[in-house]
Amino acid sequence: GAVVSQHPSWVICKSGTSVKIECRSLDFQATTMFWYRQFPKQSLMLMATSNEGSKATYEQGVEKDKFLINHASLTLSTLTVTSAHPEDSSFYICSAAQDEQYFGPGTRLTVT
Amino acid sequence: GQNIDQPTEMTATEGAIVQINCTYQTSGFNGLFWYQQHAGEAPTFLSYNVLDGLEEKGRFSSFLSRSKGYSYLLLKELQMKDSASYLCAIKGGNNDMRFGAGTRLTVKP
Repeated sequence: GAVVSQHPSWVICKSGTSVKIECRSLDFQATTMFWYRQFPKQSLMLMATSNEGSKATYEQGVEKDKFLINHASLTLSTLTVTSAHPEDSSFYICSAAQDEQYFGPGTRLTVT
Repeated sequence: GQNIDQPTEMTATEGAIVQINCTYQTSGFNGLFWYQQHAGEAPTFLSYNVLDGLEEKGRFSSFLSRSKGYSYLLLKELQMKDSASYLCAIKGGNNDMRFGAGTRLTVKP
């Protein structure tokens, strides 16, 4: 099956700093990528849909100025958490769509 | 909008059969997916239904009734490694995937 990678797999940052998470489709081109957030013992919550070459579509309640998404190529989408706060600590997962969605391994963000 | 409901927790015995139900309401439908997720890991794909009926894949089967907005995941010959969360997800009209809250399954010896 198709492979999606994420980098970094985990990151610790200080409150107020920004963190960039990369999502890559390794062996296929993905015109659409999705970003999810998952808090402990909860399900995946869709944050935004990222389309190559256009602006991302954000879900209700997700601040687009705080969670910057860039989908510059068919194999790479990035999520930047700006001015991170402890409540942004979560598991961030991307997926890339081909005939089905393929998930990356996730990035665990801890904001201290 | 969408609404996806599944039980929060279930417990079953090793070697037994367990059925995890999912009911949904959605304005657009392009398929229903079941994923398995172990703690701290990304979800892994189990099954996909877009037409009514039963799809069987080894120890796992998934059923869909679009008219009833209902699906179930059937796990046979349960193994300890099947202890995980099972997520029901709907692919909507825009091909976006939305997940239910997940069912945490515990398999006991």
